[in-house]
Amino acid sequence: DTAVSQTPKYLVTQMGNDKSIKCEQNLGHDTMYWYKQDSKKFLKIMFSYNNKELIINETVPNRFSPKSPDKAHLNLHINSLELGDSAVYFCASSQGGSGGYGETQYFGPGTRLLVL
Amino acid sequence: DQQVKQNSPSLSVQEGRISILNCDYTNSMFDYFLWYKKYPAEGPTFLISISSIKDKNEDGRFTVFLNKSAKHLSLHIVPSQPGDSAVYFCAASLSRLTFGEGTQLTVNP
Repeated sequence: DTAVSQTPKYLVTQMGNDKSIKCEQNLGHDTMYWYKQDSKKFLKIMFSYNNKELIINETVPNRFSPKSPDKAHLNLHINSLELGDSAVYFCASSQGGSGGYGETQYFGPGTRLLVL
Repeated sequence: DQQVKQNSPSLSVQEGRISILNCDYTNSMFDYFLWYKKYPAEGPTFLISISSIKDKNEDGRFTVFLNKSAKHLSLHIVPSQPGDSAVYFCAASLSRLTFGEGTQLTVNP
């Protein structure tokens, strides 16, 4: 009964491959997010979806494409993986909005991606 | 141009003493500030928040102080417990969350 789950937890792959990370939330929230935590430990927002609509799209290479089949799922597909994509990717959800007004976000456990 | 900074990468305190974690920000438009706690191999979990119109918010052992003129906030944990050992992230809200780089707190028994 995990609130926000991600699969896989670990992903090791070669440069140039295409991979997907899946995220599901069972909290009934309207908004979901993808964050990247790089080697410097900053958590940076990549994308946000509200009711399946893209509302935040930060400056992210277009090799990254989010897909939201329904409001409980937000997947992240990465094409042509590069060494610099190695990071921990966190999915999160919140009841509404896009992170404003101090709305609490609930995070998944993270997916550790290593590109060789 | 990091808008939220936590200048101390680590902090070590004795059990029972006070832990003070600091955070500075540059954008005066932020409307809320939040603290998240993160254990290894887990995602961050919400701890406490404060509106920009307040200067203090308390929840049990955790108190957050906001000094808007200095663009500074701090998290006080009293008394500190070994289970509080984690990475603490400060975050600021303005249509989205902007996180600091985190401070590793170690509470020694």
